[in-house]
Amino acid sequence: ILNVEQSPQSLHVQEGDSTNFTCSFPSSNFYALHWYRWETAKSPEALFVMTLNGDEKKKGRISATLNTKEGYSYLYIKGSQPEDSATYLCAEGDSNYQLIWGAGTKLIIKP
Amino acid sequence: DTGVSQDPRHKITKRGQNVTFRCDPISEHNRLYWYRQTLGQGPEFLTYFQNEAQLEKSRLLSDRFSAERPKGSFSTLEIQRTEQGDSAMYLCASSLDINMLQGQTQYFGPGTRLLVL
Repeated sequence: ILNVEQSPQSLHVQEGDSTNFTCSFPSSNFYALHWYRWETAKSPEALFVMTLNGDEKKKGRISATLNTKEGYSYLYIKGSQPEDSATYLCAEGDSNYQLIWGAGTKLIIKP
Repeated sequence: DTGVSQDPRHKITKRGQNVTFRCDPISEHNRLYWYRQTLGQGPEFLTYFQNEAQLEKSRLLSDRFSAERPKGSFSTLEIQRTEQGDSAMYLCASSLDINMLQGQTQYFGPGTRLLVL
């Protein structure tokens, strides 16, 4: 059974500051690591899918890194803006393409 | 809109009633997934389809739950004899079956929020 954990559970960040949070996952039988952003009343939005150790992905001010040997991924947001307020979820994809999810990090950007 | 759609968005029902939710995936996607999410938790996998075949069901999916994808396009999730513990957000996602080594992005609908009174 996979167990994906995210920290912190919630985070308040001043507008303009940069921030990061963590996703940890079992490193055995790794297939893929996904990051999603979920805003209230909207669909979860795919940010990144990463499969290789050392992968780094970037999308605008958001980037992510992957370490499959130690079982963690970091999500970074540079120069936080109010529209970044959302819950950020990570999920590990297993061999059957099922996603095993963390509980998310709720990010609140203070103007 | 060519994204994943779900209907209804909200459903309030009384305990013991049956409810059915519908999901329309992105048209060219052959995989369709159902998840359930309760407050403060990440989504939990329920079941998935490849085309019309239901390939896996979670142990979370009791006998009261049934899912179908009769023509390999839209899917329905039915809950019979609802219980208060069934109150949750039910999410549907779809993906295109590609090389597993490249990962598969699942595209989600907005969910159906169920409240059982």
